Amino acid sequence: IAGITQAPTSQILAAGRRMTLRCTQDMRHNAMYWYRQDLGLGLRLIHYSNTAGTTGKGEVPDGYSVSRANTDDFPLTLASAVPSQTSVYFCASSDFGGAGELFFGEGSRLTVL
Amino acid sequence: GQNIDQPTEMTATEGAIVQINCTYQTSGFNGLFWYQQHAGEAPTFLSYNVLDGLEEKGRFSSFLSRSKGYSYLLLKELQMKDSASYLCAVQDSNYQLIWGAGTKLIIKP
Repeated sequence: IAGITQAPTSQILAAGRRMTLRCTQDMRHNAMYWYRQDLGLGLRLIHYSNTAGTTGKGEVPDGYSVSRANTDDFPLTLASAVPSQTSVYFCASSDFGGAGELFFGEGSRLTVL
Repeated sequence: GQNIDQPTEMTATEGAIVQINCTYQTSGFNGLFWYQQHAGEAPTFLSYNVLDGLEEKGRFSSFLSRSKGYSYLLLKELQMKDSASYLCAVQDSNYQLIWGAGTKLIIKP
């Protein structure tokens, strides 16, 4: 089934540990995004990539890093997790460099203790 | 600063009509999106407006007034499955999406 796959679906993590959330799309979209969603707040952009080989910082990039080695994959890494990074993380992709609709993965629920 | 405002929660009756409002203040404007998000699931695209006026798509319609910084999503013939959060998002001058916090819609029988 075409779309975006995120892994893991859910994870409990000790503070200070390193964690990578994986995201893969098979729609050949050029743009990809990582958002976090917290109760009472809108989706907040962490990092984005308009095309393979390039990345940019969003609204809340601190504590996170990304890479875009190819069109399909866009992993998000937490170098040293902190409790404030407890959230639901959504990966998304779009065509036309962001001018089109976003397609979202099913989300990764991360709890940092 | 950039800001999107929408009501936190609304309640409506099955079979009725509900209008969810969204007002925005952003640095430039390149379109407004509405997404639906069921609890525990990912957002899914509903509509896109870039010009003033009404866009109709089945039971759902979306309206835009750029001069007023205002949009609404109109849902007709409400069904229980329409219980969800509805997210308003505006694309600014850099084509970055600014998101509202979402409106939780509760449908009662």
